[in-house]
Amino acid sequence: NAGVMQNPRHLVRRRGQEARLRCSPMKGHSHVYWYRQLPEEGLKFMVYLQKENIIDESGMPKERFSAEFPKEGPSILRIQQVVRGDSAAYFCASSPPTGPKSYEQYFGPGTRLTVT
Amino acid sequence: QKEVEQNSGPLSVPEGAIASLNCTYSDRGSQSFFWYRQYSGKSPELIMFIYSNGDKEDGRFTAQLNKASQYVSLLIRDSQPSDSATYLCAVNIRKIQGAQKLVFGQGTRLTINP
Repeated sequence: NAGVMQNPRHLVRRRGQEARLRCSPMKGHSHVYWYRQLPEEGLKFMVYLQKENIIDESGMPKERFSAEFPKEGPSILRIQQVVRGDSAAYFCASSPPTGPKSYEQYFGPGTRLTVT
Repeated sequence: QKEVEQNSGPLSVPEGAIASLNCTYSDRGSQSFFWYRQYSGKSPELIMFIYSNGDKEDGRFTAQLNKASQYVSLLIRDSQPSDSATYLCAVNIRKIQGAQKLVFGQGTRLTINP
């Protein structure tokens, strides 16, 4: 049973470019969460999505950041016009929709974004 | 006050001893509590979760929860060098549509000395 998959694992962008990060949840999981971990800092919640719905985006910066989880395909976190402060590890987690394990979030390997 | 607080460490423990990691949280309505282990450069790995007051044991790991004191801890018995990592405490602050948003502490860096 494959775990959470993220790609790319490493991404380098110049200031002003766009970054697209992809996440495929574990099989049977329909809830996706995105977290950001800045260097030497803790994990910060960004957004929670279900298929075709954004449920909670209270942790997303107001500008340049967007997320989607289409009916088909992976969830995508998009950062437009990247700046150096966006350099971080971006982790995706997933959980099943119901049952006792719906409380448990499992993390993917992360995408390490470097903005030059 | 931070929503979830941990001592950042580093915490140094000799091999074979008990490592004790602590976490406090601010939201009295929190229902679910998690411990993740994160090796340097890797993603967080879920190692324990606890929902009820008291102790929960799984192998060498014991999670302890005291909701009255808003305190959760993780004990690691017979510590091994492979336990050296950063341990993240996470709390379910709000429950939306059957799932949850986790708030993480800063993490405690644990080093087990051979």
